[in-house]
Amino acid sequence: AQTVTQSQPEMSVQEAETVTLSCTYDTSESDYYLFWYKQPPSRQMILVIRQEAYKQQNATENRFSVNFQKAAKSFSLKISDSQLGDAAMYFCAYRGAWKQTSGSRLTFGEGTQLTVNP
Amino acid sequence: NAGVTQTPKFRVLKTGQSMTLLCAQDMNHEYMYWYRQDPGMGLRLIHYSVGEGTTAKGEVPDGYNVSRLKKQNFLLGLESAAPSQTSVYFCASSYPPGQVVANYGYTFGSGTRLTVV
Repeated sequence: AQTVTQSQPEMSVQEAETVTLSCTYDTSESDYYLFWYKQPPSRQMILVIRQEAYKQQNATENRFSVNFQKAAKSFSLKISDSQLGDAAMYFCAYRGAWKQTSGSRLTFGEGTQLTVNP
Repeated sequence: NAGVTQTPKFRVLKTGQSMTLLCAQDMNHEYMYWYRQDPGMGLRLIHYSVGEGTTAKGEVPDGYNVSRLKKQNFLLGLESAAPSQTSVYFCASSYPPGQVVANYGYTFGSGTRLTVV
């Protein structure tokens, strides 16, 4: 079974600074997707960024970028120029690419609570 | 432009009572899921469905039942609520893997906060 681990329950960053959230995963599958979701106090799950395992290039979405290390099974999220609105719980998630394996379900990490200090 | 709608948003139950959470999606997604979120444990899959009339167990299915009689609806039932089922419940839907749009992940509802006393 696939597992996702976020070893940082809490992180803090000063406004305008850069922070990196860590995520590792375990899988025997060769093709899969990885995601970072943001959950603000409103409880809504918001997709921040995604990465296809077959792509070597790291995904980037504005101030958000990932460092995808397939061999190390590591998928960290970097937030640049942090803003107060970035404060939220962040979840790393894994999804297998094939119907036959893992039921195509999203497997989540435990979450990292990010605080942004003014 | 509703996406995934969950009802109710909040509910308090007494131990032993039953209830049904309703999830409706208007995106014609084949796959639907129920998750529960507990502090320090992320989101854990309860049950899921890969199409109308099908259901399957996830990681934590005990104490819950589900039904998918219509493609757009996925119901989660608690037959006899227990305090351990106090949690926030999320419904989600997605395209099946193998389609290009599938790599956009899931669409989530806004959650149901359930308290069992």
